Amino acid sequence: QVQLVESGGGVVQPGTSLRLSCVASGFTFNTYAIHWVRQAPGRGLEWVAAISSDGNNKYYADSVKGRFTISRDNSKSTLYLQMNSLRAEDSAVYYCGRGGTYSSDGADCWGQGTLVTVSS
Amino acid sequence: QAVLTQPASLSASPGASASLTCTLRSGINVGTYRIYWYQQKPGSPPQYLLKYRSDSDKQQGSGVPSRFSGSKDASANAGILLISGLQSEDEADYYCMIWHSSAVVFGGGTKLTVL
Repeated sequence: QVQLVESGGGVVQPGTSLRLSCVASGFTFNTYAIHWVRQAPGRGLEWVAAISSDGNNKYYADSVKGRFTISRDNSKSTLYLQMNSLRAEDSAVYYCGRGGTYSSDGADCWGQGTLVTVSS
Repeated sequence: QAVLTQPASLSASPGASASLTCTLRSGINVGTYRIYWYQQKPGSPPQYLLKYRSDSDKQQGSGVPSRFSGSKDASANAGILLISGLQSEDEADYYCMIWHSSAVVFGGGTKLTVL
């Protein structure tokens, strides 16, 4: 079955960096766009970034543009989110989600999430 | 004004129907968008329910009961998630989503209470 497993979360200080990973299985990874979405405690869903199936097209929310970088390694069925210059407001559970053929397709399956806490 | 607006909360009785709305900002025509709907229960990731653009362009999520359905109200410029035959297990947060201006946009979510 389709499975997405996020990892890499933790407690970090403001201004530092963190890299999240999302390992996919159960589907042909290199034919799907993938999204990162986050959810701060008690808040709604906030989209973070998306990447096309071949990795050539990347899209970001204004709130993370210039600080976060989405990438993928199709040979490893793995998605990454490099997060730099972290701020307290980046604290959230981060989910990766399988999109569709196009980056504009919404996700139809999500991982369990990984928690990022940015605090001094 | 937010791109997508959802009522913060909605209550309905078991066995009744609930209509959850997702209103698009003025100037953004609901007719051109595919609207996605997600259900999220506390402590769990979101679950995909369905997507709806038109009656000829829609998809139900795998394993999602047919009592969950999508539609649009063009006069209100809104997408609608209709849940019929409400059950206690339907109590959850519901989010709508569109792809707009090269980005994903989520509505703020509606907390559905079944009582």
